[in-house]
Amino acid sequence: QVQLVQSGAEVKKPGASVKVSCKASGYTFTNFPMFWVRQAPGQRLEWMGSINTANGDTQYSQKFQDRITITRDTSANTLYIELSSLRSEDSGVYFCASRPGYNIGPFDYWGQGTPVTVSS
Amino acid sequence: EIVLTQSPGTLSLSPGERATLSCRPSQTISTYHLAWYQQKPGQPPRLLIFGSSTRLAGIPDRFSGSGSGTDFTLTISRLEPEDFAVYYCQQYDQSPLYTFGQGTKLEIK
Repeated sequence: QVQLVQSGAEVKKPGASVKVSCKASGYTFTNFPMFWVRQAPGQRLEWMGSINTANGDTQYSQKFQDRITITRDTSANTLYIELSSLRSEDSGVYFCASRPGYNIGPFDYWGQGTPVTVSS
Repeated sequence: EIVLTQSPGTLSLSPGERATLSCRPSQTISTYHLAWYQQKPGQPPRLLIFGSSTRLAGIPDRFSGSGSGTDFTLTISRLEPEDFAVYYCQQYDQSPLYTFGQGTKLEIK
């Protein structure tokens, strides 16, 4: 069965960077696009960016365009997100997600979430 | 960007009652490009319905989705104790610019 397992909680100071991983199993990694979604306390779910795991093409939300990098390691079936210049408003839970195939659709599978706390 | 507005913010009902949750996009979207998720505390969202009305495999038939254009509804016909959670709608009409509603909290009365 499809599983997405994320790295553990992170605590960072303002201005630092954070890198979160998401290891996929149970399917052919390059057949599914992958996404990152953030949930800040009391806020709605927020799509941050997407990656075509087959060719590495990325698309980012304009909100994070200058600070976000999404990459993947196909040999390790692992997705990454790196967010730089952290501020307190970046605190929240970061989820990876995926769906079967590259046609338009919702997010069928989700990781368990990685809490990120930005505090001085 | 398409903004999704969900109502009510909180819905207080008893087990066995019927729940009706609303999701209104700021502009017309395709009927095929609206999904509903359920989220319980400490868990990721769980996809329930896609294409506004198609239940994912394994989702009980007490969950149903309907609507079109700028007015979509998630109905839970007879609430079970495990249904009390937060529900989000999502549009993927502007893929890859996905957006979510702010959520409706369904709580036990």
